[in-house]
Amino acid sequence: QSALTQPASVSGSPGQSVTISCTGTNSDPPYYKYVSWYQQSPGKAPKLLIYEVTHRPSGVSDRFSGSKSGDTASLTISGLQAEDEGIYYCSSYTPASIPVFGTGTKVTVL
Amino acid sequence: EVQLLESGGALVQPGGSLRLSCEVSGFIFSAYGWSWVRQAPGKGLEWVATIDHFRGSTFYADSVKDRFSISRDNSKNILYLQLNSLRAEDTAMYYCAKTMYNRYFDHWGQGTVVTVSS
Repeated sequence: QSALTQPASVSGSPGQSVTISCTGTNSDPPYYKYVSWYQQSPGKAPKLLIYEVTHRPSGVSDRFSGSKSGDTASLTISGLQAEDEGIYYCSSYTPASIPVFGTGTKVTVL
Repeated sequence: EVQLLESGGALVQPGGSLRLSCEVSGFIFSAYGWSWVRQAPGKGLEWVATIDHFRGSTFYADSVKDRFSISRDNSKNILYLQLNSLRAEDTAMYYCAKTMYNRYFDHWGQGTVVTVSS
């Protein structure tokens, strides 16, 4: 299973919004809902930001939001802050219960 | 307190074997599925294996199938990954992760490093 496609990098100034795309996610029900997003800060383990396309775990800022259209999922970071710098990965599941990660997007706060 | 603590990473020669452990606390270990995800130096995340909570069914990435084996000890709250026939390309940080309904990974450990080199 090939990795999902993400832009290599995105950047924005503090307070701005940025959106990261993730292409190649499963479009078949029910797997089309199994999209999640992870934030990896430098030197740290990944952290779950969004699950099942739009849901935020307890404790995750509402500045992070997810959406999906067709086979492309998106993560939007609103009100960009310096602490948001890191690498962001999407993930989707195949019907064989195999998870696939995206290629990763480096977010830089200018 | 929720904690996933990996151990067992080491420097090993090509063709060698290793067993990784992930000690879990703060969860009802037996009620969840668990996975291993790895990250080669400077690279992205790669799913390795999952063991579900229902029947203990296991799933493997093609890159490790027939070489790696995932298992769990519900009495000790420990997840294992047996790595055999190791190759240079298996060099990576290995993370254990709590797996929700085979849909997403909601808690991660800090990882343990496996280096395969002669």
